[in-house]
Amino acid sequence: SYVLTQPPSVSVAPGQTARITCGGNNIGSKSVHWYQQKPGQAPVLVVYDDSDRPSGIPERFSGSNSGNTATLTISRVEAGDEADYYCQVWDSSSDHYVFGTGTKVTVL
Amino acid sequence: EVQLVESGGGLVQPGGSLRLSCAASGFTFSSYEMNWVRQAPGKGLEWVSYISSSGSTIYYADSVKGRFTISRDNAKNSLYLQMNSLRAEDTAVYYCARGVVPAAILDYWGQGTLVTVSS
Repeated sequence: SYVLTQPPSVSVAPGQTARITCGGNNIGSKSVHWYQQKPGQAPVLVVYDDSDRPSGIPERFSGSNSGNTATLTISRVEAGDEADYYCQVWDSSSDHYVFGTGTKVTVL
Repeated sequence: EVQLVESGGGLVQPGGSLRLSCAASGFTFSSYEMNWVRQAPGKGLEWVSYISSSGSTIYYADSVKGRFTISRDNAKNSLYLQMNSLRAEDTAVYYCARGVVPAAILDYWGQGTLVTVSS
């Protein structure tokens, strides 16, 4: 089955840039989506199709995808960005949605 | 405004059954794929099941195949998950989520319902 690997945690100071990676075999050939989940809340879509943002999501959230790694970048990090972030793809070989292992972003 | 409201969670003994429901509003339910995603306490997201807009195509995660059944009633704008032969490892918050094809985006999520499997 297809596996997506994320770092367990990323720490960043306010105003700096956080980069969260999502590794998978030839993930660059897939569409990657990213979700933000704050404690006790449902996930929220923040980036879809590698780099597009839903309406209402700040431009500070951006994404890229190439080779074996997709990346979610949060620029000018704010305290409110502290959350868990998950990447997700569709694995057509198994007809399964696949989520990454999740990354906890801590704002110092 | 898109709204997804889950219900039906609770405490059930191992081997028991439970039926979850998800009431949808604010969009044309019959035009969208739907999914169930779960999250065990303190763990990450795990996709559970998918159903196409017409109900003709269904997929399951290996961990629930043969025990869970997804269905929908487009006339009632509702999604269901029948869970049988429940195990302790099925304990989780269960979310329903709207799907957008072809890229399999989950663009709206409900607030979830907690299922606890314990004796």
